[in-house]
Formats: sequence, structure tokens, C-alpha cells
Amino acid sequence: GAVVSQHPSWVICKSGTSVKIECRSLDFQATTMFWYRQFPKQSLMLMATSNEGSKATYEQGVEKDKFLINHASLTLSTLTVTSAHPEDSSFYICSADSPTIGITEFAQHFGDGTRLSIL
Amino acid sequence: GQNIDQPTEMTATEGAIVQINCTYQTSGFNGLFWYQQHAGEAPTFLSYNVLDGLEEKGRFSSFLSRSKGYSYLLLKELQMKDSASYLCAVTDSNYQLIWGAGTKLIIKP
Repeated sequence: GAVVSQHPSWVICKSGTSVKIECRSLDFQATTMFWYRQFPKQSLMLMATSNEGSKATYEQGVEKDKFLINHASLTLSTLTVTSAHPEDSSFYICSADSPTIGITEFAQHFGDGTRLSIL
Repeated sequence: GQNIDQPTEMTATEGAIVQINCTYQTSGFNGLFWYQQHAGEAPTFLSYNVLDGLEEKGRFSSFLSRSKGYSYLLLKELQMKDSASYLCAVTDSNYQLIWGAGTKLIIKP
């Protein structure tokens, strides 16, 4: 089945540090990838939609200069949290659309997530 | 606006059956998904419905009524490992995925 790999799984760093998170589709090509943020006991919040070879589309309220997204190839998208602060601490999850056998719609397949803790 | 409603939390007993409901109001409809998310982990795909009716997959079944804007996820023979959050999500006319807040399911022995 479709596999999405996300790295790193856990980051602890000092305030002001920039952190890069990678999201790779391992056995399929992902034209579109999605970046979510999830705070404890809350649902997924879509941050941005990443399209290969073009600029990402950010959701309202998400700072594009703070959360830099690059989707340089059909198998890799990166999210860089620039000058991270404690309020940016969260669970960041990427996903990719993939054709799923037996259905006509594309299901989103998720990476394992990155737990970011800013001290 | 677009809205998906599901109960915040449900409790059930091991071996029993539980039904998690989801109602939606969206701009168009191109399918409804159910995902399972264990604490601290990413969601995993469970089921997809685009036509009315029941889709059965092992212990899990998902039902859809488009005219009522309603779906449910039915879990049979509950196991302790089924304790998780269950997320309902709908694809609207722009193929944007709208997420519900999730239902936390607690299984008791």
C-alpha cells in the first residue's frame, strides 16, 4: 500500500531555531501533499497544500513566511518552521493523495508525524 | 459555512458493538472518509463512501445517506486496541477535505 515517510519523528530545540521536516512518498508519486498541525486533544488543522513545482497554498491564518514549504519533486515535500517559538510546539503531520485500490477517490495517506517541542 | 459534527467522546465495552455518527453540511459532496487515530500517532485510513448504503470491511462498517448528510461507523466485537479517535472527513465540490473534530472512543474491559 501507499507509504508516506516523515522525518524526524521528534524534535526538541531552543527558541529561535529553524526546523525542517521532510515528507516522502516511498512507493508512489504525490503531485499534492498536505501539511497539518494538531494540538493536544484537538482535530487536524490543515496548514497548507503543497503542489509539486509550484507555490504552496496556505490556509487562512497560517504565516507563509514562518512555515516555508518546498515541494521540489514528486516524492518530497519539506516544511521549515523558521525561528520557532514555544507556541509553535505541536504535532505536525504530512499526507499525500494516493490512488487506493477499490475506490475511485484518492485517500490521504499520512506520515507518522513530527512532534515538535520548542523550549 | 462547512461543518462536520460528531460526538466528542463515547464509551463502550469490550466485545460489544458501537456506532459513531457523523453529520455534515458542505459545499457539494465527493465522498466521505473515516480515519482512525491512536493517541500520538497519525491517522490511518479506514473506509470511504461515495454512494448511499453500507460498506463492510471486517469488524468495521461504514454507512452513508447523502440525502440526510449522515454517516456512521459501526465497530463490532470491540477490542481494547480499538480505543482511539475516529475522524470523519468529507470531500467537498472542490475536492477539499473537510475534517470533523473526531470522536474519542474509550473501550472498557
